Amino acid sequence: GNSVTQMEGPVTLSEEAFLTINCTYTATGYPSLFWYVQYPGEGLQLLLKATKADDKGSNKGFEATYRKETTSFHLEKGSVQVSDSAVYFCALRGASNTGGFKTIFGAGTRLFVKA
Amino acid sequence: EPEVTQTPSHQVTQMGQEVILRCVPISNHLYFYWYRQILGQKVEFLVSFYNNEISEKSEIFDDQFSVERPDGSNFTLKIRSTKLEDSAMYFCASSPLGQKNTGELFFGEGSRLTVL
Repeated sequence: GNSVTQMEGPVTLSEEAFLTINCTYTATGYPSLFWYVQYPGEGLQLLLKATKADDKGSNKGFEATYRKETTSFHLEKGSVQVSDSAVYFCALRGASNTGGFKTIFGAGTRLFVKA
Repeated sequence: EPEVTQTPSHQVTQMGQEVILRCVPISNHLYFYWYRQILGQKVEFLVSFYNNEISEKSEIFDDQFSVERPDGSNFTLKIRSTKLEDSAMYFCASSPLGQKNTGELFFGEGSRLTVL
């Protein structure tokens, strides 16, 4: 079946540092890929998405590129802020009868940004 | 801005009891989902629901669980004979139909279930 693997946290950075959170996936067909963010005490909310190979999703200074050749969707931000402290989830929406059409999530990576 | 609402925000129950978690999806959405997140662990898919029937379900979603859309607005998850390991945060999500469905899920804030 489909699966998502993302780097373990927590990740601790100083404000204005560069962020990378790695995400790789296994899927049949051509899935859609997402990053969701969960702030303390809240539900998950979509950060960005990409629906086909080489698409780049971007939002709030975050970006990720759908790399089919490496089955990856790494999240990056050039300069993090304290307000970016949250848990980040890589997710995949299946696109085949074999793997199903449901959205599955990686384990989540907690980011702490220090002032 | 429309949002998914869940009740209760926290429920404490004794092992063996039945619980019902309630969700009001966004009004023009037609796909509904339940996920759960055991403390500090990953968000796990339980079930998806469309057109008054289950579309997909995970291995976790066994006979202990059931879902229902009892009226035009609510979507419920029933857990029978709760076990300690059912303690988790349960998230409801919804998504629209057709061209408006970009694959994005809209989540509620979750219902925390504690089984003692």
